[in-house]
Amino acid sequence: EVQLVETGGTLIQPGGSLTVTCTASGLSLSTTFMSWVRQAPGKGLEWVSSIYPGGDIHYADSVKGRFVLSRDNSKNTLSLQMNGLSAADTAFYYCARFRIYGFDSWGQGTLLTVSS
Amino acid sequence: DIQMTQSPSSLSASVGDRVTITCRASQDIRNYLAWYQHKPGNPPKLLIYAASSLQSGVPSRFSGSGSGTDFTLTVNGLQPDDVATYYCHKYGSAPWPFGQGTKVELK
Repeated sequence: EVQLVETGGTLIQPGGSLTVTCTASGLSLSTTFMSWVRQAPGKGLEWVSSIYPGGDIHYADSVKGRFVLSRDNSKNTLSLQMNGLSAADTAFYYCARFRIYGFDSWGQGTLLTVSS
Repeated sequence: DIQMTQSPSSLSASVGDRVTITCRASQDIRNYLAWYQHKPGNPPKLLIYAASSLQSGVPSRFSGSGSGTDFTLTVNGLQPDDVATYYCHKYGSAPWPFGQGTKVELK
């Protein structure tokens, strides 16, 4: 059974940095197309970043240059390092597996709150 | 970049009603379109992929259609458990935007 668990969400001040992590079981992240999707309070789903099995990474324009996605194959974890945080980044952050046709497995999400 | 526009943003319907949600892509995305159901406190759930294919385990009252730029999600016989927000999602090549969502409530 595939399980994705996000951790690291917390309250952080504007301008700060934080890394959220997705720990996977039941699948190998090194051979899986994985993504981060977020949902701000009262807002819709927003695709954030994705990594292909070969290591190619893409970012949404809203986070490009501030967020860095990485993968640790030995620990089977996916990390999203977030810099220059603002209130606009306040959201639940979900990691999700994409299999050819859609995000078919999701974690429960971790909440990042950016506030002074 | 391709934009995904859903309509309506919200709707209210009675149990048993047929509900239709539309999604329009700003460019041709062929059939690289999925639909998700999202309930508060839960992660999104994949309903439809490749515009019209039903994900395993999803009730047959859900269906999708369309290709190119115009897509539709239909719920034939709305049930109380279908109260949720529904999102279309473009995949294929990057980026992978979602529509802004359609909130479905019971009348």
